[in-house]
Amino acid sequence: EIVMTQSPLSLSVTPGEPASISCWSSQSLLHTNGRNYLDWYLQKPGQSPQLLIFLASDRASGVPDRFSGGGSGTYFTLKISRVATEDIGVYYCMQALQTPRTFGQGTRLEIK
Amino acid sequence: QITLRESGPTLVRPTQTLTLTCTFSGFSLTTGGVGVGWIRQPPGKALEWLALIYWSDDKRYSPALESRLTITKDTSRNQVVLTMTNMDPVDTATYYCAHIPTVTTSFDSWGQGALVTVSS
Repeated sequence: EIVMTQSPLSLSVTPGEPASISCWSSQSLLHTNGRNYLDWYLQKPGQSPQLLIFLASDRASGVPDRFSGGGSGTYFTLKISRVATEDIGVYYCMQALQTPRTFGQGTRLEIK
Repeated sequence: QITLRESGPTLVRPTQTLTLTCTFSGFSLTTGGVGVGWIRQPPGKALEWLALIYWSDDKRYSPALESRLTITKDTSRNQVVLTMTNMDPVDTATYYCAHIPTVTTSFDSWGQGALVTVSS
């Protein structure tokens, strides 16, 4: 089973400022097709999770371009270029390379 | 537009079997590459993947729960059913079903979730 580790577990950001979340996997998520099978999800308060980023760097439909994903192998990042108030919630990384699918512990983003 | 909705009991007694149904629209589980997964979230805790089923009837389970889980599909009704036996209070959680598209292995659409409480 691939273990996913996120950091930090919480962060407080002023609107308009950048934010970054890191995610490590215990095994490489690089497929033989050259893509990294790493997703980012956001769970806003009281809502279901929503897909933000798939294949490490592809934005899901409707996701603002202030969100960007990067990294390869076992280290990945989610960056928000300018945090907006509607970005509050818990962010999860998930490896989508193999089953069992595994999630990180989650990173709670709050607004200062 | 893809929608999914979870349904089932809100309260289950310890040792009972939980049956949850995911009813979906906007896609077909007969389309190559498509799948449906189940994920749960205990109150205040992180997401935990449980199982998934593909159009081909390929089924995968969480190793930690495999002996207790069964996932099936009914393509004529656009439903996926998850059963979990021998329920325990630690299984109290919100249970989500989610769509897996053909082009990736991600969960790109989620249901609203069903809160299941296990208590005597």
